[in-house]
Amino acid sequence: KQEVTQIPAALSVPEGENLVLNCSFTDSAIYNLQWFRQDPGKGLTSLLLIQSSQREQTSGRLNASLDKSSGRSTLYIAASQPGDSATYLCAVYILTGGGNKLTFGTGTQLKVEL
Amino acid sequence: DAMVIQNPRYQVTQFGKPVTLSCSQTLNHNVMYWYQQKSSQAPKLLFHYYDKDFNNEADTPDNFQSRRPNTSFCFLDIRSPGLGDAAMYLCATSRVRQSGNEQFFGPGTRLTVL
Repeated sequence: KQEVTQIPAALSVPEGENLVLNCSFTDSAIYNLQWFRQDPGKGLTSLLLIQSSQREQTSGRLNASLDKSSGRSTLYIAASQPGDSATYLCAVYILTGGGNKLTFGTGTQLKVEL
Repeated sequence: DAMVIQNPRYQVTQFGKPVTLSCSQTLNHNVMYWYQQKSSQAPKLLFHYYDKDFNNEADTPDNFQSRRPNTSFCFLDIRSPGLGDAAMYLCATSRVRQSGNEQFFGPGTRLTVL
């Protein structure tokens, strides 16, 4: 059974700092990996999707990398801002006969302080 | 804009009173998913439809059922809600072999059980 772990569970940093969030998964036979942002009490906002043939994706100040062989992904946030405060979830895709399934990690709760 | 819509955004029901949550999509995706996310936990897949084919997760309680009357709509029925069913319910869609099978999420419905 696929298990997804995110470390750290919570992180507090001063504004302007660069930071790395980690995601690991137990079964390397994944299809895609996706990073989401979730604000308190809200739904999921997609940040980056890394497809099976890719090793990284970039969007603005965000960069996500994927190493399937080691079962790891990282989300790099450059020059953090208070507006980046949220919970960040990673999720791995597994192909099934009926489409695909997502298994989520429990998230890293990020707080960026002024 | 093509999107995934969930109604209502907030739902309050009484213990044991049946409730239905609604999801609709304008993306013309053939797969629709329902996830449950309890407070401070990872989203957990309940079931999904691949076209008209229903796929139930093994550990989804019998209390939860789903209907997909057409491509655009999918409903989550909770027959006799208990206090433990209070959660955020997230609907997602995807199209097989399109956009890397990426899942697109709605804003969620927060269910409160009194």
